[in-house]
Amino acid sequence: SQQGEEDPQALSIQEGENATMNCSYKTSINNLQWYRQNSGRGLVHLILIRSNEREKHSGRLRVTLDTSKKSSSLLITASRAADTASYFCATNTGGFKTIFGAGTRLFVKA
Amino acid sequence: DTEVTQTPKHLVMGMTNKKSLKCEQHMGHRAMYWYKQKAKKPPELMFVYSYEKLSINESVPSRFSPECPNSSLLNLHLHALQPEDSALYLCASSRAGDTQYFGPGTRLTVL
Repeated sequence: SQQGEEDPQALSIQEGENATMNCSYKTSINNLQWYRQNSGRGLVHLILIRSNEREKHSGRLRVTLDTSKKSSSLLITASRAADTASYFCATNTGGFKTIFGAGTRLFVKA
Repeated sequence: DTEVTQTPKHLVMGMTNKKSLKCEQHMGHRAMYWYKQKAKKPPELMFVYSYEKLSINESVPSRFSPECPNSSLLNLHLHALQPEDSALYLCASSRAGDTQYFGPGTRLTVL
């Protein structure tokens, strides 16, 4: 079974609105990563948050991690049409194995 | 240079063909990965090489054969594939179990 599960599966918003995606996982983690994938292309790393961190920011992105609830969220503020993509969380439990969640498909309408 | 390159971009092959996918990185990363991704699904880990040695094989069928000739190169040899193996094959590299840098992928179609 997948380590990470995300909701919502799909999200449609207007440009300028904020988008929030959630990720839940089942076992203890070393770190959690968020990636973006434009249609049919490679994944781009957005943010990595370690198990001892609670929040990280990068530009318009804010990631939170709650290890007690085994969950993380990705907030994209002031979204743009160019943010339209699939977003995946990925968990690392140590070593080199990283498991991807099912992903959230975000559509930002101009 | 934070780029991972993959060739070819597209590949169409018959079930009796033998072909290879190639991946290259020059970031000095010690881990390299192969993922398979079907449409609207997350990437599924296939193989991990660390220090040029196979460290993870996620029970992948033997018709997929990985090879790591050196620390910068990763190949995936394909033989006797099935139509259900059609997918996007992604290569990635990382310094450790952290940020992975992905290539653009090879879109494989098996006829």
